[in-house]
Amino acid sequence: NAGVMQNPRHLVRRRGQEARLRCSPMKGHSHVYWYRQLPEEGLKFMVYLQKENIIDESGMPKERFSAEFPKEGPSILRIQQVVRGDSAAYFCASSPSVFGQGWNGYTFGSGTRLTVV
Amino acid sequence: GESVGLHLPTLSVQEGDNSIINCAYSNSASDYFIWYKQESGKGPQFIIDIRSNMDKRQGQRVTVLLNKTVKHLSLQIAATQPGDSAVYFCAETASEKLTFGTGTRLTIIP
Repeated sequence: NAGVMQNPRHLVRRRGQEARLRCSPMKGHSHVYWYRQLPEEGLKFMVYLQKENIIDESGMPKERFSAEFPKEGPSILRIQQVVRGDSAAYFCASSPSVFGQGWNGYTFGSGTRLTVV
Repeated sequence: GESVGLHLPTLSVQEGDNSIINCAYSNSASDYFIWYKQESGKGPQFIIDIRSNMDKRQGQRVTVLLNKTVKHLSLQIAATQPGDSAVYFCAETASEKLTFGTGTRLTIIP
């Protein structure tokens, strides 16, 4: 079991470029979550997706950010026209089921560290 | 909005001693709580969880205590080892969306 796989581990982008972050959930997991972590801070929820559906995007900035989890392939977090303030660690997590009895949270990947220069 | 906070940002403990990390939460609707350990350059790693119908849960060398009356959560680590050095986060939720605290950095003194 390879766990939650994120790539790239490190990403450097110039201001105005696009950043694409990829996440492959654990085998058998159909629920994917993205979180952002600024240095010396806790993780902040961004978006929750199931296959081909965005379930909760209440933590996503209204502009420039989008996420998808297609029927085939990894989940993608896309940041268009990046700015310095987008520099952070972005973590993906996955779980096999919805919240409820028996739910045990999720498994996190190792993150993508985005640096905007 | 609701938030989860920690009392202490840093904690230094002698190797072999017990560690206690505290967390205050404010969302009375939260019914599931998790402690995560995050080492430098890595993602959060699940340590232990507890549901609101319990007040104590034990794992291997770790114990989580939940006091719903004062909205307080604590993580106890027995016989702290060098490998326990990390940042520890509490998280609370009433849905799939976790709310994380700021974190406590635990440093082990040899």
